[in-house]
Amino acid sequence: AQSVAQPEDQVNVAEGNPLTVKCTYSVSGNPYLFWYVQYPNRGLQFLLKYITGDNLVKGSYGFEAEFNKSQTSFHLKKPSALVSDSALYFCAVRDPMNRDDKIIFGKGTRLHILP
Amino acid sequence: DTAVSQTPKYLVTQMGNDKSIKCEQNLGHDTMYWYKQDSKKFLKIMFSYNNKELIINETVPNRFSPKSPDKAHLNLHINSLELGDSAVYFCASSQEVGGWYSPLHFGNGTRLTVT
Repeated sequence: AQSVAQPEDQVNVAEGNPLTVKCTYSVSGNPYLFWYVQYPNRGLQFLLKYITGDNLVKGSYGFEAEFNKSQTSFHLKKPSALVSDSALYFCAVRDPMNRDDKIIFGKGTRLHILP
Repeated sequence: DTAVSQTPKYLVTQMGNDKSIKCEQNLGHDTMYWYKQDSKKFLKIMFSYNNKELIINETVPNRFSPKSPDKAHLNLHINSLELGDSAVYFCASSQEVGGWYSPLHFGNGTRLTVT
């Protein structure tokens, strides 16, 4: 069964500094990987995905993520953080070997950007 | 236009009552989901429907019964509500494209409080 781990409950970054939010996964085949962001009292919003191809994927709001198969990681990054990036970030994985399309979410990482 | 809309946004009710949450998507997607987010922000899939057919049914009490009258609607009925049912319930939708599923589009959630 697939699983995803976000080892950090919270990440604090000063505005203008680069940020990284970590994610590792476990699947039986090649994973489909996703990052979502949740603002207060809102549903999750899709940021970016990795299905196949280039290991570095770019998404919304200047975010990017790098797929690393050997380390089974898919860390979310941004070169220069904004205060408005403060939110709850979820990594998610789908195992395409399972046809039930079950997308499993990590427990979330709260990102605080300090002005 | 809201792509995935849920009603009501807030639902406060007493233990033992029966309540329903409605969800509609206007994206033309063929798959819809219910997720539960608890007080610690953990997000867990409950049900998934594809073209009105149940394809994922996680370990959820029988008191929860999804109903999909058509592929644009997925409602959640809950019988005999318990304190532990208090959570935010999210509806989501996606579309299968060439053997893989598009990212999930989430509604803004229904905050259920059972007293």
